[in-house]
Amino acid sequence: DAKTTQPPSMDCAEGRAANLPCNHSTISGNEYVYWYRQIHSQGPQYIIHGLKNNETNEMASLIITEDRKSSTLILPHATLRDTAVYYCIVRVAGTASKLTFGTGTRLQVTL
Amino acid sequence: SAVISQKPSRDICQRGTSLTIQCQVDSQVTMMFWYRQQPGQSLTLIATANQGSEATYESGFVIDKFPISRPNLTFSTLTVSNMSPEDSSIYLCSVAIASSYNEQFFGPGTRLTVL
Repeated sequence: DAKTTQPPSMDCAEGRAANLPCNHSTISGNEYVYWYRQIHSQGPQYIIHGLKNNETNEMASLIITEDRKSSTLILPHATLRDTAVYYCIVRVAGTASKLTFGTGTRLQVTL
Repeated sequence: SAVISQKPSRDICQRGTSLTIQCQVDSQVTMMFWYRQQPGQSLTLIATANQGSEATYESGFVIDKFPISRPNLTFSTLTVSNMSPEDSSIYLCSVAIASSYNEQFFGPGTRLTVL
């Protein structure tokens, strides 16, 4: 799996959009970008994934640059419950391959 | 989706002893994984638990230290053997199901403290 780089921490005011960046400059053509988050004292939770087109679901939006070397996870209206560590992972989709976790971004949502 | 339970949720053990952690899934799953999360760190994959055959271990992890069993498609155990304080971590079970390989599901974890 390709390596990813994320800022160690970010702050966001409640109600504002949280934009979490990720660099994956060595991503391969068949690798997707996945995002998971880990709320304190819980197991990681899947958020979203994408290949090259922007994706949106009920939790978040994923914006992938045209060259696929970076992406941004957007939480449109962050709440205190979104405080967590967010992991950006690249892997081949549709397979039961392992997840390789990097250090992630610790997002702190404040009042 | 898949609902995963782990037992015990936490334990405090003496060095030199062993602890077996159980992972139970509410449906048959294709793949089961065991991860370790050391204090303040990210998750590291220990091994893939294969049904009916020996587990596949990642670099740095060996069967003698972390024996794994997977007798069927819904259950697996991880044993942490001859424990030392360095084994103090959260151990998490994860599964992948054939209908949704894009999403892996994680258990709540087992918090182990070794004195």
